[in-house]
Amino acid sequence: AQSVTQLDSQVPVFEEAPVELRCNYSSSVSVYLFWYVQYPNQGLQLLLKYLSGSTLVKGINGFEAEFNKSQTSFHLRKPSVHISDTAEYFCAVRVNTGNQFYFGTGTSLTVIP
Amino acid sequence: DTEVTQTPKHLVMGMTNKKSLKCEQHMGHRAMYWYKQKAKKPPELMFVYSYEKLSINESVPSRFSPECPNSSLLNLHLHALQPEDSALYLCASSHGRQGGSTGELFFGEGSRLTVL
Repeated sequence: AQSVTQLDSQVPVFEEAPVELRCNYSSSVSVYLFWYVQYPNQGLQLLLKYLSGSTLVKGINGFEAEFNKSQTSFHLRKPSVHISDTAEYFCAVRVNTGNQFYFGTGTSLTVIP
Repeated sequence: DTEVTQTPKHLVMGMTNKKSLKCEQHMGHRAMYWYKQKAKKPPELMFVYSYEKLSINESVPSRFSPECPNSSLLNLHLHALQPEDSALYLCASSHGRQGGSTGELFFGEGSRLTVL
């Protein structure tokens, strides 16, 4: 079975400071990894994804994430956050042989002016 | 065209009403999904259609009835709902198991359902 853990339910950070949102997963098979962002009253938007290849992936809005197979982690980072980054962030895993996605519980990022 | 379109955006219904949520995509995706999302929670999977066939039903009550008329359309029929069914209902699509290589879910903006 697959599971996704986002240990931090809420992360407050000052504007222009760096941020890291943590994601760990468990799976006995190969997976695809994703980060989604959700702004209030909207659907989920893909920030970035890891399918294969380079373990450092860059996404939209200046976000990047690193896939670490030995630690089964896929942490999301941004070197300098903006007020507009305030949103809910979800890590997700997809087993590469199936259609089902498994979501973490989400991290609420609040950027403080 | 990389959009998933959901209608209506907002729906208020009584417990005896029958209504439907609609979802449409023209990306050639062969997997389509319904999720239910409560505030500050992750999306909960309800149904998955793969190649127009229901492939996953996450033990959803029968008052929710999905339908996939063709590869571009997905409906969710609602009948005799309860107030606790009030939530944001998200439709999503992906290339599906047998096709494509990108693998991600594309989400619509959601339908906000309120059951009185």
